[in-house]
Amino acid sequence: AQSVTQPDIHITVSEGASLELRCNYSYGATPYLFWYVQSPGQGLQLLLKYFSGDTLVQGIKGFEAEFKRSQSSFNLRKPSVHWSDAAEYFCAVGFNSGNTGKLIFGQGTTLQVKP
Amino acid sequence: EPEVTQTPSHQVTQMGQEVILRCVPISNHLYFYWYRQILGQKVEFLVSFYNNEISEKSEIFDDQFSVERPDGSNFTLKIRSTKLEDSAMYFCASRGTVLNPLLYEQYFGPGTRLTVT
Repeated sequence: AQSVTQPDIHITVSEGASLELRCNYSYGATPYLFWYVQSPGQGLQLLLKYFSGDTLVQGIKGFEAEFKRSQSSFNLRKPSVHWSDAAEYFCAVGFNSGNTGKLIFGQGTTLQVKP
Repeated sequence: EPEVTQTPSHQVTQMGQEVILRCVPISNHLYFYWYRQILGQKVEFLVSFYNNEISEKSEIFDDQFSVERPDGSNFTLKIRSTKLEDSAMYFCASRGTVLNPLLYEQYFGPGTRLTVT
């Protein structure tokens, strides 16, 4: 069955430090991969996506992610975290079968940023 | 920039009552979705809708749920008889255009928080 795992439920980093949020997926083919961010009480904002091609993708707000097929991973990174990055981050996998294209989400990682 | 809108932002209802959550997807999109997020949990797929019919639904989407696109712009989720466990944030999303139907990124609305008492 398709699944998405975010191993880290909660991460705390200091402002200015680098960040890596992990995401692993289980799927028989190459899926479409996404990272969304959710600030408290807000909706889901797309940070970046991977469909094909270059395995290192750039997103908004200085985020990037790398698709590693051999590890079934799509980890999110940022070289220097800002206090405003504190939010919940969701990795999601999209499936292109039929007319659905539904997304399967991971459990989410809560990012706390220390001053 | 086009966006998905949802109304109301917060709905409080009593158990057993019917609720209708409304969404206006991005106007030229073809595929529409409802997801829900119970407080503190992950976002879960409920249903997808394409060409005026349900294309896939999850186990959560039982006979108490229905969706409709009544007028070509609105996309609604109806819960016929709400239960306490229906309390959640409900997100609408849309994607794909006639020119680019394989556009898989979904655009989400801000959500409706449903509280069942």
